[in-house]
Amino acid sequence: GDSVTQMEGPVTLSEEAFLTINCTYTATGYPSLFWYVQYPGEGLQLLLKATKADDKGSNKGFEATYRKETTSFHLEKGSVQVSDSAVYFCALAGNTPLVFGKGTRLSVIA
Amino acid sequence: GAVVSQHPSRVICKSGTSVKIECRSLDFQATTMFWYRQFPKQSLMLMATSNEGSKATYEQGVEKDKFLINHASLTLSTLTVTSAHPEDSSFYICSARDWSRGLGQPQHFGDGTRLSIL
Repeated sequence: GDSVTQMEGPVTLSEEAFLTINCTYTATGYPSLFWYVQYPGEGLQLLLKATKADDKGSNKGFEATYRKETTSFHLEKGSVQVSDSAVYFCALAGNTPLVFGKGTRLSVIA
Repeated sequence: GAVVSQHPSRVICKSGTSVKIECRSLDFQATTMFWYRQFPKQSLMLMATSNEGSKATYEQGVEKDKFLINHASLTLSTLTVTSAHPEDSSFYICSARDWSRGLGQPQHFGDGTRLSIL
């Protein structure tokens, strides 16, 4: 079945550091791919998405490119801020409920 | 703005109490909604898929008599935790997708309900 694998956390970075959170997937067909963010004590918010190969999703300085050849959708940000501290979930969607990765906790320190 | 509203955001109650959580889609009709449970520092676990006008589909290991789901309208699904016990304490999150916009659309999530059973 469909699955998502993302890098284990926690990840701790200094403010203004470069962020990469790896995500790879296994799926039949051509799923849409998403990154969600969960701030402490809150639900999930859609951060960005890509619906087909080579699409780049971007939002709030975060980017991820749908790479069909490597089945990847890595999340990147050039300069993280303390306010980016949260848990990030990679997910894929076809015509079934979202399949989530296990989440990566990011802590950014000043 | 929010497209899925979940209420209440926090519940603290005594063991044996039944607790109802509401999930509403605000600007689209949701024939299908999803209920998740999240333990501390873990990912979301899908509990059940709520289908408007029919019975919910429960994931393996989820007690349907413990977690009652009702999807009475196209914009409202409810999860009732019956006779709750301390082990039912968790963060419950609902989600819905706007299927009218085609496959592959994102799921929108409520803000979650933190349930604490004393």
